[in-house]
Amino acid sequence: EVQLMESGGGLVQPGGSLRLSCAASGFTFSSHWMHWVRQAPGKGLMWVSRINGDGSSTSYADSVKGRFTISRNNAKNTLYLQMNSLRAEDTAVYYCARDPDPSTTYFDYWGQGSLVTVSS
Amino acid sequence: SYELTQPPSVSVSPGQTARITCSGDALPKQYASWYQQKPGQAPVLVMYEDSERPSGIPERFSGSNSETTVTLTISGVQAEDEADYYCQSADSSGSVLFGGGTKLTVL
Repeated sequence: EVQLMESGGGLVQPGGSLRLSCAASGFTFSSHWMHWVRQAPGKGLMWVSRINGDGSSTSYADSVKGRFTISRNNAKNTLYLQMNSLRAEDTAVYYCARDPDPSTTYFDYWGQGSLVTVSS
Repeated sequence: SYELTQPPSVSVSPGQTARITCSGDALPKQYASWYQQKPGQAPVLVMYEDSERPSGIPERFSGSNSETTVTLTISGVQAEDEADYYCQSADSSGSVLFGGGTKLTVL
């Protein structure tokens, strides 16, 4: 059974940093592109970042470029999102999601989400 | 910049057909997917590559594509289908886009 489980969320002050983790199981992690998607309270879904299977290629939404870094450790079946210079508008539930086919890009499995709150 | 546009809300009575649209200029060249999200839960994939239904999704869910508009159709709507629905696609640079979401209300 495919499972994705995020951790690392919490309360952080503006300008601070936080690292999210997503532990994957039930599939060959290194074979899949992975993504982070976030959802601000009461708002819609917003794509944040993606990484290819071996970690050699990444992409970011303009709103997080230069502040967030996506990475992965295939030996540990874990996806990461390092978030620096956090702003109030980064407050959201962050989901990791699996991409089964990067030629069309969609998300067939999602984690349960991790809440990040940026506030003083 | 490229956008995906959805109606904010759709309302139908049980047993009727709900149609949720998603419009975007790149849709003739890029596949679209649909996600169902219930309150407090993670999104669930209900349609991919415009009209492919994942295993476990009821047959009453179907998808279609007509030029710049993709449509998620739910035939014989049930109370359990009440949720937010999001379309998703990608632009030519590989960035992923979501529509603003449609709240489906079952009257």
